[in-house]
Amino acid sequence: AQKITQTQPGMFVQEKEAVTLDCTYDTSDPSYGLFWYKQPSSGEMIFLIYQGSYDQQNATEGRYSLNFQKARKSANLVISASQLGDSAMYFCAMRELGDDKIIFGKGTRLHILP
Amino acid sequence: DGGITQSPKYLFRKEGQNVTLSCEQNLNHDAMYWYRQDPGQGLRLIYYSQIVNDFQKGDIAEGYSVSREKKESFPLTVTSAQKNPTAFYLCASSIIGISSYNEQFFGPGTRLTVL
Repeated sequence: AQKITQTQPGMFVQEKEAVTLDCTYDTSDPSYGLFWYKQPSSGEMIFLIYQGSYDQQNATEGRYSLNFQKARKSANLVISASQLGDSAMYFCAMRELGDDKIIFGKGTRLHILP
Repeated sequence: DGGITQSPKYLFRKEGQNVTLSCEQNLNHDAMYWYRQDPGQGLRLIYYSQIVNDFQKGDIAEGYSVSREKKESFPLTVTSAQKNPTAFYLCASSIIGISSYNEQFFGPGTRLTVL
C-alpha cells in the first residue's frame, strides 16, 4: 500500500500568492516523522521542514509551514508569498520510528508564474 | 564544508557495459542510500547501508550492486542486467538513531544515459 500520497502532479500559482501542497500518509506506527524536500531543476534535494508525530505545534521555517492534521493523516506544505525561485518539484516523505528508510511520495511540480 | 559528493554529474555508457557511480560523504553518517529517479517520478530506493560491510536491498535492487568498504563511501554499480538503466541517481546519508528526525542529506546526483 502506498504510504505517501501527493495528489497534485502539477500546480500553477501566481507570484506572491500562498500555495498549499497536499500530502497524506498512512502508518500504524504512532511514532513517525514527516519531511518536505524541494528539488529544483538542478536535481539536488533540499530539506525544507520536519514535523514529528508528537509535536504539538505545526512546524514553521521561514516562508514554509506544515499544516499537520494528525487525525486526517495529512501533512500539507504551505508556502507563503511565493517567489519565482519556488518553482520546483516538492516531495513529501515519512520515516517511522526505528526505520532508517524514508518513504517518498511521487511529488508535486510547482510552477510560479510572474 | 561537510557534504555528499557524487561523480560524475553526467555519465554516458554503451548498452551492455557495467558502470559504477561514486558517492562519498564527510558527514560521519552511518547510513547511506541510493535512489533512482525517473522523469516526473518520485525516488525509489535501490540499496541502503547502515554500517560498513553490510547493506540491504531496497525496492528496486535487481540489476544493481553496491559495496560499503569504508564508512564514507558507498559506490553503486549498474550492471548490464539492469534492463532500463537510464535515470537520475541520487545518493543520500543520515545518522542512525532512535529519533524519527533523522533527515537524509542528498548529493547532487548523477544522470546516467545508456546509449
